[in-house]
Amino acid sequence: AQSVTQPDIHITVSEGASLELRCNYSYGATPYLFWYVQSPGQGLQLLLKYFSGDTLVQGIKGFEAEFKRSQSSFNLRKPSVHWSDAAEYFCAVAPTGTYKYIFGTGTRLKVLA
Amino acid sequence: SAVISQKPSRDICQRGTSLTIQCQVDSQVTMMFWYRQQPGQSLTLIATANQGSEATYESGFVIDKFPISRPNLTFSTLTVSNMSPEDSSIYLCSVGLAGGQEQYFGPGTRLTVT
Repeated sequence: AQSVTQPDIHITVSEGASLELRCNYSYGATPYLFWYVQSPGQGLQLLLKYFSGDTLVQGIKGFEAEFKRSQSSFNLRKPSVHWSDAAEYFCAVAPTGTYKYIFGTGTRLKVLA
Repeated sequence: SAVISQKPSRDICQRGTSLTIQCQVDSQVTMMFWYRQQPGQSLTLIATANQGSEATYESGFVIDKFPISRPNLTFSTLTVSNMSPEDSSIYLCSVGLAGGQEQYFGPGTRLTVT
C-alpha cells in the first residue's frame, strides 16, 4: 500500500539555525510530491511541489526540497529558520495522474528565540 | 492559486444533530475535495465533489453520513449528519488545479461534538 512517513513528530531548532524535515514515501513509481505548512488555526499552505525535472525545487518562504529517487525521499530544508516558521509541516504524495493525496502524519516545528 | 473560504470557522454541536459546512472559491474550478483532520492526526480524503456529478467517496466514508452538494463551479457543501463525539475534527475543503494534482486548501472548520 502507498504510504508517506514523516519520522520526526516534533523538531525544535533555534532561530537562525538550519532545518531539515524528512519525508519518505512508499510507492512503485515516482509520484507527485508536495510540502504543506499549517500554522495554528490556519488551513494548509502549499510550500512547494515536485512533478518532474530538476530534483531540487524551490518554494515560498525560503524553503527548498530535494527529491532523491534512490531513497524515496523528499526532504524539506531551510538554511536559516525564522520564529514565524513555527508550524506543522505535512508531506504529501499523489500517484502520477491522480489527485488522491496521501498525507504524512506531520512534523511540528518549534523555534526557540 | 485560489482563495478559498469556509463557513463556519468553528462550531460546537450536540450529538445527533447535523452541521453543513460551506466552501466558496474565488474562481471556477472543476475539482473540489473534502478532507477530515482528526485531533493530532493527518488529513484524510473524505470525497471528491465534481460539479454536475455525484460525489465520489473514499473507503470508510458514506453519503448518508457525509452528503455533499456541488451546485456550481465555485461552491460546495459538506454535511456531517447524526453527529457523535468521534466526528470532532477539522474539516477542510480544497480545490484542485493542474488536473487536480495541485491542491489549495481552505482555512478549515473546527467541529466539536458534545
